[in-house]
Amino acid sequence: NAGVTQTPKFRILKIGQSMTLQCTQDMNHNYMYWYRQDPGMGLKLIYYSVGAGITDKGEVPNGYNVSRSTTEDFPLRLELAAPSQTSVYFCASSYSRGGSFGSGTRLTVV
Amino acid sequence: DQQVKQNSPSLSVQEGRISILNCDYTNSMFDYFLWYKKYPAEGPTFLISISSIKDKNEDGRFTVFLNKSAKHLSLHIVPSQPGDSAVYFCAGSNTGNQFYFGTGTSLTVIP
Repeated sequence: NAGVTQTPKFRILKIGQSMTLQCTQDMNHNYMYWYRQDPGMGLKLIYYSVGAGITDKGEVPNGYNVSRSTTEDFPLRLELAAPSQTSVYFCASSYSRGGSFGSGTRLTVV
Repeated sequence: DQQVKQNSPSLSVQEGRISILNCDYTNSMFDYFLWYKKYPAEGPTFLISISSIKDKNEDGRFTVFLNKSAKHLSLHIVPSQPGDSAVYFCAGSNTGNQFYFGTGTSLTVIP
């Protein structure tokens, strides 16, 4: 039981590049979330999903896209990376309210 | 607009003493609250939760108190241990799916 697995752990992107942050959970949780954490700040919700095929925007969705084709996977897509997207990204999953978090992806856009 | 506020960025406590971490919220529709603990380079770990129908929830050394009229909750850790040194986040929710996090309080437990 690996819990929530995020890849990659670190990535440096150039402005305008695109990338996908991967998130997989093996707990059969319906709910999955993507958060970002900026230095000195709390976690802000980017997107979430309540089940396969269903996604919804959180507080800070601009510049991101998600998909949920399976229960296990919830990838986060960054199109046209900008320096403002430099952050640590956390994926989480839960059976009900709350969640188990992955270890994070540290992304730097230069 | 920060709906959940943790006004103390840091806290130092002697081992064995009580640690009290505070959290204030502005949204009166919040009906569920969580506390998470986070070590460096790791994801947050769920610690304890409380529903707005309760004013206290206890789990071992950890107790969360909720004062709805003051829109305030606190996490008590008794006795504090060096392994409790971490950043603690509180979060509130009014829909069940979206949680709003505070900025965190860094707790240091001094041996």
